[in-house]
Amino acid sequence: AQSVSQHNHHVILSEAASLELGCNYSYGGTVNLFWYVQYPGQHLQLLLKYFSGDPLVKGIKGFEAEFIKSKFSFNLRKPSVQWSDTAEYFCAVLNTGGFKTIFGAGTRLFVKA
Amino acid sequence: DGGITQSPKYLFRKEGQNVTLSCEQNLNHDAMYWYRQDPGQGLRLIYYSQIVNDFQKGDIAEGYSVSREKKESFPLTVTSAQKNPTAFYLCASTGQWNTEAFFGQGTRLTVV
Repeated sequence: AQSVSQHNHHVILSEAASLELGCNYSYGGTVNLFWYVQYPGQHLQLLLKYFSGDPLVKGIKGFEAEFIKSKFSFNLRKPSVQWSDTAEYFCAVLNTGGFKTIFGAGTRLFVKA
Repeated sequence: DGGITQSPKYLFRKEGQNVTLSCEQNLNHDAMYWYRQDPGQGLRLIYYSQIVNDFQKGDIAEGYSVSREKKESFPLTVTSAQKNPTAFYLCASTGQWNTEAFFGQGTRLTVV
């Protein structure tokens, strides 16, 4: 069965620190990959997505993610976090042509001002 | 504004009662989904519907039922058979090619 594993459940950083959130998935076929973010009191929204092409994708608010096919990974990065990045982040996988998006357990990020 | 509307935001239910959560979208999306979000478990798929009058069970469908009589609407009924119904429920939809999902603000259901 498909699964998505996020390495950290809770991360605490100071402002200006660099961020990397790990995500690995298990599926042998072609996939679409996503990172969603849920800010406090707001609904889930798309941060960035990868369908094909350049494995380094850029999203909103300075986030980027790199798809490494050989490692089945899609790690999220940001060079310098801000207090406003405090949120819960979800990695998700959709097998191409399918309808079931599988989500990871989420990572709660808290950025200290 | 286009989007997904879930209602109510908070819902309390007595044990043994069925309750229906509403989800409406005006994005003209064909596919709609219900997820359950529990702390530390991410989002788990309950049911999904690719088209009107058709729906499929997700990974945790037991104790839930849905209908899809209109493209815009995908209500979820939490029945008394659901053993642990207290949770946060999210409705989502996807457009053509089933790419990124758009989410509602969620309904927090508490069984008392």
